[in-house]
Amino acid sequence: EPEVTQTPSHQVTQMGQEVILRCVPISNHLYFYWYRQILGQKVEFLVSFYNNEISEKSEIFDDQFSVERPDGSNFTLKIRSTKLEDSAMYFCASRGSFTYEQYFGPGTRLTVT
Amino acid sequence: GQQLNQSPQSMFIQEGEDVSMNCTSSSIFNTWLWYKQDPGEGPVLLIALYKAGELTSNGRLTAQFGITRKDSFLNISASIPSDVGIYFCAGLDTPNTGNQFYFGTGTSLTVIP
Repeated sequence: EPEVTQTPSHQVTQMGQEVILRCVPISNHLYFYWYRQILGQKVEFLVSFYNNEISEKSEIFDDQFSVERPDGSNFTLKIRSTKLEDSAMYFCASRGSFTYEQYFGPGTRLTVT
Repeated sequence: GQQLNQSPQSMFIQEGEDVSMNCTSSSIFNTWLWYKQDPGEGPVLLIALYKAGELTSNGRLTAQFGITRKDSFLNISASIPSDVGIYFCAGLDTPNTGNQFYFGTGTSLTVIP
């Protein structure tokens, strides 16, 4: 069964460093998302991406964040200068064109020290 | 942002018991999704609902799209130990917020063998 994959599973970085989180969405999906979940809290929407551009973003997704689809399979989230409060699980999700059913990847645990 | 409140916040039940949980919103949604999340993993899609009043089953799980379109319900019959996890609802208001799903606060389920 097709699934969303994410790498790395765990990333440790120092405050102020740049990180890139990678996702491979399900192959025939066209809508891509990034979410964040701080430990013990609910899942929070960051950004949605369709047709090579951002379609929506939340107030969390400030200038420090960017997304890219560098090729036909990868979807990345970049945090330019990480802060301690960026420590969280980051989930990628994707969906097809004719359904709103989003499928999540296993997540990347980001730890900023 | 829109607020989705889930209740109860946590449940401790005996194996074999039925479970009911709900999700209420401050505004109308036209799509509801229910997810289950195990610790350290990504949310797994359980059920999708698209029409007010709709009742949909997936094995022992049954979910309903509330008539007011401001709520949704999830029932689990004859619970088993692997039902343990956190259950999230997610709502979408396509006309107003397009692609942005809002997640509920979660219901933590513990099943006692």
